[in-house]
Amino acid sequence: EPEVTQTPSHQVTQMGQEVILRCVPISNHLYFYWYRQILGQKVEFLVSFYNNEISEKSEIFDDQFSVERPDGSNFTLKIRSTKLEDSAMYFCASIETVLSGNTIYFGEGSWLTVV
Amino acid sequence: KNEVEQSPQNLTAQEGEFITINCSYSVGISALHWLQQHPGGGIVSLFMLSSGKKKHGRLIATINIQEKHSSLHITASHPRDSAVYICAANYGGSQGNLIFGKGTKLSVKP
Repeated sequence: EPEVTQTPSHQVTQMGQEVILRCVPISNHLYFYWYRQILGQKVEFLVSFYNNEISEKSEIFDDQFSVERPDGSNFTLKIRSTKLEDSAMYFCASIETVLSGNTIYFGEGSWLTVV
Repeated sequence: KNEVEQSPQNLTAQEGEFITINCSYSVGISALHWLQQHPGGGIVSLFMLSSGKKKHGRLIATINIQEKHSSLHITASHPRDSAVYICAANYGGSQGNLIFGKGTKLSVKP
């Protein structure tokens, strides 16, 4: 079974620091996503990425956030100047294509705790 | 505003029971997803539906476009089915651009 891998599984950071969350999508997938889930709340879409650029982003995904695919395999989410309210589980996901019936594959998530 | 509502929020069942989780959404979705979130937090996609019904093992998902409603059924429930089940709707755009429900926490007792 193919899988999306995320690192780190848990990170604790000081408020104001920059954090990079890493994801390795499934190798032949073309569409990549980041989501956020604050503890006890629902999952929220952050951003979609295709062909080396952002294709869609939510209102949450402001200038504090950025994504890139630096080397053709990793897909990263960078959070600048972290705030307490950025504490959440961040999920990466990928899809092979957007043809009907394609499964979304999620990673196990990265817990970010900002103190 | 595009929303996804799930019910019930919590559900406790005895092993072997038939379980139904409901999801309602606003008009204009292109697809509806059912996801399972494990106690450790990981998310697995169960179904993607745009019409009709799909079945995988003991899981069945249905969608009624006219009523803007979808259900996830679990037959012969088992304690290993205990998880949070999440309904998520795609209102257009990229397939992964989803509006998520709050989830239904299912606990199946032996």
